[in-house]
Order: sequence, then structure tokens, then C-alpha cells
Amino acid sequence: NAGVTQTPKFQVLKTGQSMTLQCAQDMNHNSMYWYRQDPGMGLRLIYYSASEGTTDKGEVPNGYNVSRLNKREFSLRLESAAPSQTSVYFCASSEAVRTGWETQYFGPGTRLLVL
Amino acid sequence: EDKVVQSPLSLVVHEGDTVTLNCSYEVTNFRSLLWYKQEKKAPTFLFMLTSSGIEKKSGRLSSILDKKELFSILNITATQTGDSAIYLCAVVSGGSNYKLTFGKGTLLTVNP
Repeated sequence: NAGVTQTPKFQVLKTGQSMTLQCAQDMNHNSMYWYRQDPGMGLRLIYYSASEGTTDKGEVPNGYNVSRLNKREFSLRLESAAPSQTSVYFCASSEAVRTGWETQYFGPGTRLLVL
Repeated sequence: EDKVVQSPLSLVVHEGDTVTLNCSYEVTNFRSLLWYKQEKKAPTFLFMLTSSGIEKKSGRLSSILDKKELFSILNITATQTGDSAIYLCAVVSGGSNYKLTFGKGTLLTVNP
């Protein structure tokens, strides 16, 4: 059981370039999430997918798009990277999204630097 | 198993009142404690606390962590109807791969 895996671990982009961050989980979880974490800040939710075939915006969705490819995989795309998107990106998964939210299991993170 | 317990589960107050929300936790390898406000679908981030005794403040909201007694409080002064929401406490724990455990939340209703 690998849990939640993310690729790449580290990426440097130039302003305006695009890229996709990949996330996969092997725990048969229904819900998946993308967060960003900036220095001194907690986790801020970008997008989430309560179940296969659905996606919803989180707190900071601007500049990002997501795809829930299947139950296992949830990707995050930056169409035109900006320096403000320099951050550490975490993917997470949980059994289901309920009123109080479930325990979420995180991937190791992707460090993204936009020059 | 990691546990995050919030109290009270719900609270009804009048505008102008001050409220204190509680969060206690039992986790392995504590990293940080987060407070979120959930009004619609997804929570919005309020505070991250990693060190005991250091108050985080944002307007009428403030929070503090006690790592010895394993709890945190969230204070809201001069409450407004717009403060009505579910307030979630979450704890980040773990070694190489983090885990985020949410409490059940406190439903705050502020009446005019």
C-alpha cells in the first residue's frame, strides 16, 4: 500500500508555462483534495472531488483546474503559471466527504517554484 | 487512533456576545493545529498553530494552543450574524507522510 503518491516532487517553471501535478491513491477512497501550503500558513484548499465524476472549488481555486480521471487519480493543472503560485502542493484523500469532513491522508507534496 | 474532539457541538448566541470554542486532541507525532470556518461546502482556513502560548489574531478572532494540555481555543469577540458557520479544528500529525484529522465541528449560530 503506497497510500497517496504525488509526482513530481519538485518542479521549476517559468511564468506562463503550464504543468500538471499528478496524484494517485490506492486506498479506494471516494474523496480527494488539493491543498497549497505557503510559509507561515496552514493548508488552503484549492479544489476537491467528493466522488468520482465531481469536482468543487475550494478556498483558492483561481489559476487552477482539476480532473478526477478515475477513482484513483486526481490531477491539478496550472495553465499559465504565475510567481504567486510558488508553493508546496499537497494531495489528500479520504473515505468520503461528510458534514464534519473525514480524516484525510496526505501525499508527500510537490514543491513548485515559478520564476 | 488519532482523535480530535470539539466542544460544544453547537452554540446559539446573540450579536455582540463573545464565544469560546474548544478543541482537544490525541495524536501521534503532532505537527500543527488548524482552525477552519465552513459556511457552504468547503472550509476556509483561519489559523495555523504550532507553538504553545502564542496567540494568533485576525480581527475579532483569536486562537491559542496549549501543547502540554493538548488543546486549543478559538475566541470570537463582538459576534456578528456573519460569524454563523461551522468551525472546524484539524490536527496535522505523522512522520514522513502527514495525516490531517478533523474534529466534528462546532455549529455557531449568531442571532440578531
